[in-house]
Amino acid sequence: SQQGEEDPQALSIQEGENATMNCSYKTSINNLQWYRQNSGRGLVHLILIRSNEREKHSGRLRVTLDTSKKSSSLLITASRAADTASYFCASQTGANNLFFGTGTRLTVIP
Amino acid sequence: EAQVTQNPRYLITVTGKKLTVTCSQNMNHEYMSWYRQDPGLGLRQIYYSMNVEVTDKGDVPEGYKVSRKEKRNFPLILESPSPNQTSLYFCASSLSKVREQFFGPGTRLTVL
Repeated sequence: SQQGEEDPQALSIQEGENATMNCSYKTSINNLQWYRQNSGRGLVHLILIRSNEREKHSGRLRVTLDTSKKSSSLLITASRAADTASYFCASQTGANNLFFGTGTRLTVIP
Repeated sequence: EAQVTQNPRYLITVTGKKLTVTCSQNMNHEYMSWYRQDPGLGLRQIYYSMNVEVTDKGDVPEGYKVSRKEKRNFPLILESPSPNQTSLYFCASSLSKVREQFFGPGTRLTVL
């Protein structure tokens, strides 16, 4: 399987701190996507970064992509209790498949 | 409201009893996909469809069937469910294979 991996598996921070999650993947990609999942519910798309982009911002989210290292990171600035969720990266390959990582469980303590 | 709907949301069944999980989207999306989510394994793609009458295997297709007779619907069929298919299933759709996907709320399936 071409699943990616997120690091760390779990992260606990205080409200107001920044949270950084890392993602590694295995083969060449068209794009890399980040999703958020509240416990047991559907995934919600956060941000998509194309293979020719190195950095992208959306509100308090900042995503970087390093295709030479086959890695990406998601930074959430000024975290809030409502950011508590699991975060998944998903690598989109040329063969139509979207491969998800195993997720980072983020807990933001009020 | 733009959405992906799945039914049922919860299902408990027994080994070998055929079942269908429906998925419908109202966004006129061409691409639809099914995933299963298991603890420690993340989401794995079961089948996907690029358009009507076009389906293809994902990462873990064994034991599943799909069909895409209409653009909006993409049902997942388990002809003879087994306990190892107990999982949380998600349907998703997008404008194309390289765009962000919109997920349904999930179907929690238990096979006894």
